[in-house]
Amino acid sequence: AQSVTQLGSHVSVSEGALVLLRCNYSSSVPPYLFWYVQYPNQGLQLLLKYTTGATLVKGINGFEAEFKKSETSFHLTKPSAHMSDAAEYFCAVILRGGYQKVTFGTGTKLQVIP
Amino acid sequence: EAGVVQSPRYKIIEKKQPVAFWCNPISGHNTLYWYLQNLGQGPELLIRYENEEAVDDSQLPKDRFSAERLKGVDSTLKIQPAELGDSAVYLCASSSGRARGNEQFFGPGTRLTVL
Repeated sequence: AQSVTQLGSHVSVSEGALVLLRCNYSSSVPPYLFWYVQYPNQGLQLLLKYTTGATLVKGINGFEAEFKKSETSFHLTKPSAHMSDAAEYFCAVILRGGYQKVTFGTGTKLQVIP
Repeated sequence: EAGVVQSPRYKIIEKKQPVAFWCNPISGHNTLYWYLQNLGQGPELLIRYENEEAVDDSQLPKDRFSAERLKGVDSTLKIQPAELGDSAVYLCASSSGRARGNEQFFGPGTRLTVL
């Protein structure tokens, strides 16, 4: 069975500081990996995904994530936080074997302090 | 291009009443998903459709929940009767093709409050 763990349900950073949101997965085979962002009262929007190829993935709004097989991690980073980045972020996985079931993490709420 | 449309956006009902949610996916997307999102949690899959066929409804509480996608386009999720614990956000998503790793596009959700 696959699972996703997001460390830290709440993260606070100062505007302009580095954003680091952690995601670890557990599955016997490296899955497809996703980061979604959810703004208040809105649905989820895809930030970036890793399916194959380069392990450093760049997404929208200046975010990027690196797939590290040895650490079973897919942490999300952004060099400089902006006030508009305040939202909830979800890591998600899809197994490569089997059908297309998405498993989401519990989410990390990012607060950006002026 | 229009995104995934859901209605209503908000619904308040008393327990034991029925409620229905509607979703219109992105045009051409053959895969449609209904998710339940509790406060402070990630979405959990309730049911997945490939065209008009429900291919995964293992997490759908079938004693009170039902769903349909009769023409393989829009879909309705129903709860009858609603319970207090059903208060949550119900998200609809769609994707194209069968390839794993395809992006799912989410609607804004319906926030249900059961009193």
